[in-house]
Amino acid sequence: NAGVTQTPKFQVLKTGQSMTLQCAQDMNHEYMSWYRQDPGMGLRLIHYSVGAGITDQGEVPNGYNVSRSTTEDFPLRLLSAAPSQTSVYFCASSPRQGAREQYFGPGTRLTVT
Amino acid sequence: RKEVEQDPGPFNVPEGATVAFNCTYSNSASQSFFWYRQDCRKEPKLLMSVYSSGNEDGRFTAQLNRASQYISLLIRDSKLSDSATYLCVVNLYKLSFGAGTTVTVRA
Repeated sequence: NAGVTQTPKFQVLKTGQSMTLQCAQDMNHEYMSWYRQDPGMGLRLIHYSVGAGITDQGEVPNGYNVSRSTTEDFPLRLLSAAPSQTSVYFCASSPRQGAREQYFGPGTRLTVT
Repeated sequence: RKEVEQDPGPFNVPEGATVAFNCTYSNSASQSFFWYRQDCRKEPKLLMSVYSSGNEDGRFTAQLNRASQYISLLIRDSKLSDSATYLCVVNLYKLSFGAGTTVTVRA
């Protein structure tokens, strides 16, 4: 049981490049979400999904897309990377929205130059 | 105004000391409350829930004051392994995270 996995662990992009951050969970959780964490700020919700085929925007969705074709996977796409997207990205899952505990992946450290 | 505000610290304490810190939240309708722990460059993990009556988990005590809209965490008999950033989390349909309070326990 691997929990929540994320790839890659580190990534450097040039401005304007696109890429996909991968997230997978093997706990059969319905709820999955993406956060970004910046110094001095709390984790901010980018997008979330309450089940396969259902996604919605969080607090800071601009510049990111998501899809949820299966229960297990929830990739985050950066359409055209900008330096403001330099951050640590965490994927999380829980049995349902608002559940007591969210299980976080190890994070992806992204630098956009 | 931020939904959840925390004193960033750092709180530097010797082993064996007691350390306590608070967080405040802005929305009085918030329904549930948690403390998460985040080690340096790692993912956050649930430390404990916070209940209105106050609750303990070993050396950790959490309190909730709904009237004043704050949550507190107290760590007794601090260990070196308690060094981490503690995130205050408030739930109202979605989780809102504070920026964290850093605690460093020194030998």
